Amino acid sequence: KQEVTQIPAALSVPEGENLVLNCSFTDSAIYNLQWFRQDPGKGLTSLLLIQSSQREQTSGRLNASLDKSSGRSTLYIAASQPGDSATYLCAVSTAWKVSSNTGKLIFGQGTTLQVKP
Amino acid sequence: GAVVSQHPSRVICKSGTSVKIECRSLDFQATTMFWYRQFPKQSLMLMATSNEGSKATYEQGVEKDKFLINHASLTLSTLTVTSAHPEDSSFYICSARDLFSGNTIYFGEGSWLTVV
Repeated sequence: KQEVTQIPAALSVPEGENLVLNCSFTDSAIYNLQWFRQDPGKGLTSLLLIQSSQREQTSGRLNASLDKSSGRSTLYIAASQPGDSATYLCAVSTAWKVSSNTGKLIFGQGTTLQVKP
Repeated sequence: GAVVSQHPSRVICKSGTSVKIECRSLDFQATTMFWYRQFPKQSLMLMATSNEGSKATYEQGVEKDKFLINHASLTLSTLTVTSAHPEDSSFYICSARDLFSGNTIYFGEGSWLTVV
């Protein structure tokens, strides 16, 4: 059974710092991995999606890496800003099979980030 | 980009009544949609996979008769919480799979259900 773990559960940093969020998963047979942002009481915003064949993806100040063999992914946030404060969720998609209902996302518990001005 | 709309965003209902939440893909067809539940300060837990034109596939521990899912068209899935109880109060969020954009998953904004 796939399990996704995120460390740390909470993180507080001063503005301007670079930081790394960690995600690990137990089954390397994944289709892709996504990082999401969730603001309190809101839905999910997809930040980065890494296909299983890829090593990393970048978008602005965000960089996500994937090491499928070791079951790890990191989300690197450069020059953090107070507006980055949110909960960051990592989710893996199971290997896709047309004939089944796979492709569902298994989420980690999230890392709640606070960036202080 | 693709949009998934959920309605209502917030609903309060009395114990024992039923409430329906809609999930619509606005500019793409979604043969598969997913329903998740999120308790406060916890992560999202998949409840069921909704397939257009067929029965939903429920995750272990999710009551089929309590959480009715209907996916009657390629753009609409509904979740009906039947005989709601206060412990059903939660954040329900759906996602839809866009077959024609590399199976990208798009999430709705979520629906807050409070049962009083």
